[in-house]
Amino acid sequence: DAGVTQSPTHLIKTRGQQVTLRCSPKSGHDTVSWYQQALGQGPQFIFQYYEEEERQRGNFPDRFSGHQFPNYSSELNVNALLLGDSALYLCASSLGLGDSQFFGPGTRLTVL
Amino acid sequence: QKEVEQDPGPLSVPEGAIVSLNCTYSNSAFQYFMWYRQYSRKGPELLMYTYSSGNKEDGRFTAQVDKSSKYISLFIRDSQPSDSATYLCAIPYNAGGTSYGKLTFGQGTILTVHP
Repeated sequence: DAGVTQSPTHLIKTRGQQVTLRCSPKSGHDTVSWYQQALGQGPQFIFQYYEEEERQRGNFPDRFSGHQFPNYSSELNVNALLLGDSALYLCASSLGLGDSQFFGPGTRLTVL
Repeated sequence: QKEVEQDPGPLSVPEGAIVSLNCTYSNSAFQYFMWYRQYSRKGPELLMYTYSSGNKEDGRFTAQVDKSSKYISLFIRDSQPSDSATYLCAIPYNAGGTSYGKLTFGQGTILTVHP
């Protein structure tokens, strides 16, 4: 049983570019949440997708957007990248809008 | 004031020691409390999930909640080098008794257990 998978593992972009990160939830899960983890900090909630709709959003600008597909996989898009967007981006899946979230290994984004 | 505060450490202990990790929170409406462990270059993994005050034990791990003080703790008995990781407390957003899965994390405490 595959857990949460994310791609790519690492990514290097320059300021102003756009990036798309991908996540496949754990088998049987239908909800995906995205978190940003800066170095030395705890993860910060970006948004959550359930039934292909954004259900909750954290304190992140509109440059951060997402999508959930019918197979429950999800994408995180970030436009107009800033240096401060450099972080580990974590995807977590759950069954429904529950708390028991299983995290993927993350995508490490570096913005130069 | 941050909703969840956690001392980042780092904390270094000898093998076999009892480790105490702590967080404080500001919102008295919080009802559920979680501890995650994160190894280097990995995603967080759920260790303990507690509701209400008191203790919950799972093997060498004990989670403790004191709602009157808004204080949560994780104790690790007989610590092992394999316990070396970052430990994160997390609290899910909860309104009217319904939890919505948005987790607020503490900063994380870096723990090293040396042989």
